[in-house]
Formats: sequence, structure tokens, C-alpha cells
Amino acid sequence: QVQVQQWGAGLLKPSETLSLTCGVYGGSLSGYYGGWIRQPPGKGLEWIGHINYSGSTNYNPSLKSRITISVDTSKNQFSLKLSSVTAADTAVYYCARGHGDYESGYYYYYMDVWGKGTTVSVSS
Amino acid sequence: SSELTQDPAVSVALGQTVRITCQGDSLRNYYASWYQQKSGQAPVLVIYGKNNRPSGIPDRFSGSSSGDTASLTITGTQAEDEADYYCNSRDSSGNHFVFGTGTRVTVL
Repeated sequence: QVQVQQWGAGLLKPSETLSLTCGVYGGSLSGYYGGWIRQPPGKGLEWIGHINYSGSTNYNPSLKSRITISVDTSKNQFSLKLSSVTAADTAVYYCARGHGDYESGYYYYYMDVWGKGTTVSVSS
Repeated sequence: SSELTQDPAVSVALGQTVRITCQGDSLRNYYASWYQQKSGQAPVLVIYGKNNRPSGIPDRFSGSSSGDTASLTITGTQAEDEADYYCNSRDSSGNHFVFGTGTRVTVL
């Protein structure tokens, strides 16, 4: 059974860089996307971005200037860096394995395996 | 602001049927996926594509789509279905992804 495990620093000061890594176990990342999602306290889910096995990325336009998602295929891992964090970046950050395909002529995308989440707090 | 709009909250009696909707222009061209999130837990995929359930998801969960609206239906709702539900699909540009605003389902 495929699992993802995530790790990284949970307490940051304003202007620092958030860095999280997600490892895929029990299966390959090949053919899938590695995605990042966050959820501020008491709020809904926000898609941050994803990367495919070849290293092609897709970022949320509102965060694009500050985020970098990378992949290490040799380790079956992908990572998120978010620069110049502020209190507004305080959230639970999730990684997830994503997959896209077509059915009846329509494209669909889903995230089927999720990490447990990392609570990131930004405070001076 | 999200480009996929959901009702903030719905309530349903135990054993009854509830439909959760997700509205957005992009849904005319792309299917939505649906996620269940219980308090303090990571989201869980419940429906994807036209109407596909991952292994382990009960068949009381089903999905459908018409025009600019995607729907998740829970038939014979159980107490354990009480949770927040989010849709996810492409944004209106078709280039990125976005989550719906979320619907809290309360089982009475």
C-alpha cells in the first residue's frame, strides 16, 4: 500500500524560508504528480502546486513568486520551498500524490494518497 | 477567492440522502474530485472522474456532473459521514487547480 510521509521545520520567523519534503513509499512517483496543499487554521484547503516525475511544475498563481517545488526521483521524494514567509503562511501543509487522466473526453485530476500534515507556524 | 463555490453547510438526518454541490465555470470542461475531511485529519479522496470511488470508499458515495455543477451524493448517510467536504478541479483558466470553498455536513 502506497504511503507518503512528510517532514520539515514547523516554526519559522517572518522572512524565513519554509522547507518541507515528502517521501513516497510502497510505490513509485513515476507517472504521478507530487502535490502540496495547505489549510490555514479554521479555513479551507488551498492548492499550492505540484510537480511531475520529469520535473515539470504547476504553481498557484498567488504564490508563484515565492514557491519552488522540486523532485528527487532517486529517492522518490519531492519538496516544497516557500520564501519570505509571513503570519499569513501559518497553516497545516499537506503533501499528496496526484494523478490526471481522461474519461468520456473530460480531464480529471485527483490526489489519492495524502500525508498526515505538518503544522507550520510563523511568528516573531 | 475560490472559483469553485459550495454551500457552507448542510444537515441530513441519519439514513437519509444528502447532495453537496460545487459550482464553477471550469466544471463545464473538467471533472471534479471530492475529498472528505474529518476534524483534525488529512483529507481523504472519496470520488474522482465521472463517478469513481477509490478502494475502501463505501458505495453510498456517488458523483455526478451537469453543466457548471458537480455533485457529491451520500445515500443512506451514516454518523461517520459527518465531515467537511471539498471539491477540486481546474480553475477557470484551465491552467491551475483550485479547491471549492467546502461544505460542512452535519448528521442529525
